[in-house]
Amino acid sequence: QQPVQSPQAVILREGEDAVINCSSSKALYSVHWYRQKHGEAPIFLMILLKGGEQKGHDKISASFNEKKQQSSLYLTASQLSYSGTYFCGTAGLNAGGTSYGKLTFGQGTILTVHP
Amino acid sequence: NAGVMQNPRHLVRRRGQEARLRCSPMKGHSHVYWYRQLPEEGLKFMVYLQKENIIDESGMPKERFSAEFPKEGPSILRIQQVVRGDSAAYFCASSPMVGTEAFFGQGTRLTVV
Repeated sequence: QQPVQSPQAVILREGEDAVINCSSSKALYSVHWYRQKHGEAPIFLMILLKGGEQKGHDKISASFNEKKQQSSLYLTASQLSYSGTYFCGTAGLNAGGTSYGKLTFGQGTILTVHP
Repeated sequence: NAGVMQNPRHLVRRRGQEARLRCSPMKGHSHVYWYRQLPEEGLKFMVYLQKENIIDESGMPKERFSAEFPKEGPSILRIQQVVRGDSAAYFCASSPMVGTEAFFGQGTRLTVV
């Protein structure tokens, strides 16, 4: 099953913050976040592993709540370059406690940052 | 360290022809994943390969589509007798181990006329 992302779209002014959520109904091994600009390849942002963790670099961070199978991506003090579509990709947890490998992606959240 | 390389970037085929899409993973990466993306939609998993083995092909259409990742050379996604509905962007991603971060190539945009 495809993870559900919310919101579907966000419009910001430079300097504002945003949160994008990703929710799955399946047990997860990991959550991967990507940003994709129109006509380009998805760019890897970060990976969060089961066990629940938080990560961040610069003004982009994320958390993974393993019990709820939910992840959130936090964008602070947004810049024009943050515009694009954000996808979460989830890797399922197999019976052996490891990853199935393949990623199932959400439908995407379109982020637009205006000057 | 070069990233994931895909070629061609753009491919035009007439209905009924064959399309061959190539993907060279990042150096040191032995896991390759193929995804398809329709315009304005998300990425749909097709197939997961590790050198010479197909690990998971649950997302591949049963007919006309095949994939391989030989011991030497790039991974190949092959589409036989293409139809208009095959028009899409096909992305390849690679990772060093299962469950680790996966990096995407620039994609091949297939147009069937």
